[in-house]
Amino acid sequence: QTVVTQEPSLTVSPGGTVTLTCASSTGAVTSDYYPNWLQQKPGQAPTSLIYSTSDKHSWTPARFSGSLLGGKAALTLSGVQPEDEAEYYCLLLYGGAWVFGGGTKLTVL
Amino acid sequence: QVQVVQSGSELKMPGASVKVSCKASGYTFTNYHINWVRQAPGQGLEWMGWINTNTGHPTYAQGFTGRFVFSLDTSVSTAYLQISSLKAEDTAIYYCVRDLRGYVWGYWGQGSLVTVSS
Repeated sequence: QTVVTQEPSLTVSPGGTVTLTCASSTGAVTSDYYPNWLQQKPGQAPTSLIYSTSDKHSWTPARFSGSLLGGKAALTLSGVQPEDEAEYYCLLLYGGAWVFGGGTKLTVL
Repeated sequence: QVQVVQSGSELKMPGASVKVSCKASGYTFTNYHINWVRQAPGQGLEWMGWINTNTGHPTYAQGFTGRFVFSLDTSVSTAYLQISSLKAEDTAIYYCVRDLRGYVWGYWGQGSLVTVSS
């Protein structure tokens, strides 16, 4: 059973920078896993933010960026806004099957 | 513009069946595939599988075989998720998600709450 691990929770101050990570139980995450990142605010459907490790959708704010960092997929928020408080999920592809991470609850305080 | 609109909430008895719809508009339906995702109350997201909207071929994730069926009606640009022999643990929000192209998750439906309770 493949497990994708994210930090359960993180806290950041408004205007600050925070990096969320996404690790695979099978080893280092590479671009071959096509990492996607999603944001879900309470009571809302998720929205897609990042795909293929670092590509942004047309609706993704510029302060969000994706990368590979130390064998993990990473999502960095720079200049965090109060409205960025949400649950963030990563999604990795394993030979045709997608696996979600457990999610990171980001608090802006 | 692209829209993905799902059917409303359902309350079902254990053992019954439910069919959730996912209607797409603003693009050619058969050009982009549909994924299905489950979110149990207070829990994370689970990938259920996807359906090739060009061929109608479904692929089911582990744990979603047998009682779960993905289907299409391309004449009305709609994908369906049918769940049979409902159990209390099927209580969840079910999302359909249109991809942008291969391996790119794009447009999410608003979700359909299915509650299974006697």
